Order: sequence, then C-alpha cells, then structure tokens
Amino acid sequence: RKEVEQDPGPFNVPEGATVAFNCTYSNSASQSFFWYRQDCRKEPKLLMSVYSSGNEDGRFTAQLNRASQYISLLIRDSKLSDSATYLCVLNTDKLIFGTGTRLQVFP
Amino acid sequence: GAGVSQSPSNKVTEKGKDVELRCDPISGHTALYWYRQSLGQGLEFLIYFQGNSAPDKSGLPSDRFSAERTGGSVSTLTIQRTEQRDSAMYRCASSLGALGSEQFFGPGTRLTVL
Repeated sequence: RKEVEQDPGPFNVPEGATVAFNCTYSNSASQSFFWYRQDCRKEPKLLMSVYSSGNEDGRFTAQLNRASQYISLLIRDSKLSDSATYLCVLNTDKLIFGTGTRLQVFP
Repeated sequence: GAGVSQSPSNKVTEKGKDVELRCDPISGHTALYWYRQSLGQGLEFLIYFQGNSAPDKSGLPSDRFSAERTGGSVSTLTIQRTEQRDSAMYRCASSLGALGSEQFFGPGTRLTVL
C-alpha cells in the first residue's frame, strides 16, 4: 500500500462549484500534513498546512482525521485560477508527496 | 527576494555519461531537499541536507547518485553513468527550518538521457 493515496481525479467542475479532495495515509506516526498546489509544468507551492482542529483560509478548508488517517481539502466557489494539481503531503521523518489530484475548473 | 534557482534548466545527455545538477537555495535557508518527478508521477524524495550534512540519504535510487552541499548553501546532485530511466524532472527545495517548514521549490532541471 502506498504511504499516501489521493483521489484519482481529474475533477472537472464549473466555476462556483464546491469540490473536495481526500487523501489517506498509512503511517500513523505522521507528524504534520500539508496541501501543496502544482500548476502545469511549474514547481509545487505550499497551499496550506493542515492542523488537527481543521483550518480555513478564505475559500479553502483543510481537515485532518487522525483516527481514520485521512486529510481533506475543500474548495468553495471554485475559480478558473484554481485549476491545478493538488498534492497531499505528509511529514514523517521526511516529506512524502502524494501523486496529486488534478482539478480543472471550466467556465 | 530571489527564490530557489536550479541549473541547467534542461540537460540532454547520452547514456553512460555523468551529469551534475546544481541548486542555489534561498539565502539563509538551512535545509535543502532534492526530489525527482517523472511525468504524471508524484515527487520522489531523494536526499535532504541540514546545513552541510545529509541526515537522510535513503531516497537515493542507487550508488550512481550522490549529492553534496558546501558552505551551507549551494548543492550539487551528481548522477554517474546515466541510464534512460534516470530521465525526469529533478527538483530542489529549501526551507528556513527543518522538516515541517514550508518548502520553496526551484523551477527544476529537466534531464533527458538518450
């Protein structure tokens, strides 16, 4: 089993839609969690850290469920500019990146 | 300020040749990371430096791969006797603190082994 598994995608959604991605992990010793965003042919960039209590940043909400070992990312009111690949990242003794979920927002 | 830079941006080489990839981290960042990303794949961790030392080399695929960092700044990733399967995007990142800190990625070096 992979250490990090993400929704296969791609997700094709209209502008204004709400979309959610899930990510499951197998290493219960994972210390911290992140969502990174990677635009086509570009480098990944940190979108947000994920805290145990859940956290929100504008239209983006991240949640962590340690008991079930999954992390989620919710995007509300999708914009065309949200089109990208979203990478789930775990910190154990090194950062482990998921293969990403592709989101395409259409007009 | 300047971000992470990598050179060359593209490298085409023949099978069996050695290649050297360079990473210049953000000034003041103590941690530096190397990853490999193949088309459609996730980022594969290769090695991590804290200062000039590499606490974790577990991701290096084989003994043909080596990396060093000098002066707590520039790092080079060397691949000896390249093979076609080494073709990938090699990405470097740096962070202000240790693991768990935000990583800032460079634009990558696209390596093609013919």
